[in-house]
Amino acid sequence: GAGVSQSPSNKVTEKGKDVELRCDPISGHTALYWYRQRLGQGLEFLIYFQGNSAPDKSGLPSDRFSAERTGESVSTLTIQRTQQEDSAVYLCASSQGQGWSGELFFGEGSRLTVL
Amino acid sequence: AQSVAQPEDQVNVAEGNPLTVKCTYSVSGNPYLFWYVQYPNRGLQFLLKYITGDNLVKGSYGFEAEFNKSQTSFHLKKPSALVSDSALYFCAVRATTGANNLFFGTGTRLTVIP
Repeated sequence: GAGVSQSPSNKVTEKGKDVELRCDPISGHTALYWYRQRLGQGLEFLIYFQGNSAPDKSGLPSDRFSAERTGESVSTLTIQRTQQEDSAVYLCASSQGQGWSGELFFGEGSRLTVL
Repeated sequence: AQSVAQPEDQVNVAEGNPLTVKCTYSVSGNPYLFWYVQYPNRGLQFLLKYITGDNLVKGSYGFEAEFNKSQTSFHLKKPSALVSDSALYFCAVRATTGANNLFFGTGTRLTVIP
């Protein structure tokens, strides 16, 4: 597609349930990022994928959070046993990766509400 | 460790007046600095970056930013604000040399008053 696509756009879940958030990056982009944006706060880095290299998971806040990426395409962010503090907008971004420019292309985000 | 600070949560400016959105940084080594903008109901968009070269960087929509090494600042500026510039602005820094992720500030909400 023309841009980064995220789904669902909105997700309401009950505390303790698992959720999966999906990201389709721009075709040809080798790098993929997940960020979290809590209400009134900045962007919090979660995880970064670059091609076939081991992902940088240094931003994942707990072992309830995990992410996978199939080759250089779709990524899924999974949150297990959701807590109310997980409520946020989860943003995915992609970039070309080669000759890194710092220009990330963001999706519109998945808004997660944990009741 | 690297970080950026945006000291103002909110900036209000009258349409047609110059605007400044402040950002200071803390990094070891040479800084790679960025500005992104988030319009209402839209994803974040890249505005401009400083990696090396001229301290005054020009970007999209008439915005520019000035890199000041002595003051460790990278303020975003525009000579004449438009109502359509109203948005949330984020300053960002590259994580560490060789890393490819960005650390973002907490954001500054700019409101341009007609």
